[in-house]
Amino acid sequence: EDKVVQSPLSLVVHEGDTVTLNCSYEVTNFRSLLWYKQEKKAPTFLFMLTSSGIEKKSGRLSSILDKKELFSILNITATQTGDSAVYLCAVDTGGYQKVTFGIGTKLQVIP
Amino acid sequence: EAQVTQNPRYLITVTGKKLTVTCSQNMNHEYMSWYRQDPGLGLRQIYYSMNVEVTDKGDVPEGYKVSRKEKRNFPLILESPSPNQTSLYFCASSYRGQPYNEQFFGPGTRLTVL
Repeated sequence: EDKVVQSPLSLVVHEGDTVTLNCSYEVTNFRSLLWYKQEKKAPTFLFMLTSSGIEKKSGRLSSILDKKELFSILNITATQTGDSAVYLCAVDTGGYQKVTFGIGTKLQVIP
Repeated sequence: EAQVTQNPRYLITVTGKKLTVTCSQNMNHEYMSWYRQDPGLGLRQIYYSMNVEVTDKGDVPEGYKVSRKEKRNFPLILESPSPNQTSLYFCASSYRGQPYNEQFFGPGTRLTVL
């Protein structure tokens, strides 16, 4: 059974802090790993990672994949209250969008 | 505007009364999926479709049916809903491009089965 595990499940930080969210996976067939941000609505795409060691970056967010150790991290620097959300990690295991999601990490950024 | 639409957005029904949740995308995407999201369980894939007339089971297909007769539409059918199907449902679509493009999600349908 394919499995995606995220940690921590919940996190409270102050504005300006840097956070690291973790995602580990055990799947039979890895195609890509994706990060999504979910506020009180539908998930929105952040990053897609397919190769180890190559950092993807968008503003204050960055992510990297380690295919040998089967994990990914999502970093958020200089956090803002608008970063408060659930961050979802997913692995595409089927090549046809057969996707397994983790439970998510709930991040709360307080002023 | 490129989007995935779902209807209805909210639905309260009773056990055993057949219902359909519609999903439509205007981006000419090949792939479409249905998910349910439950507290503590995250997003779980119900069914996915690679193209017209091609569908496959996800992780939690029991109690659901889908069809893909047109590329843009992917309805989710609950023939005999039960209370354990009370959940938040998302439809998603993506392009069959390289490398493995991201999914675009609809706004969600909150279903309550009494």
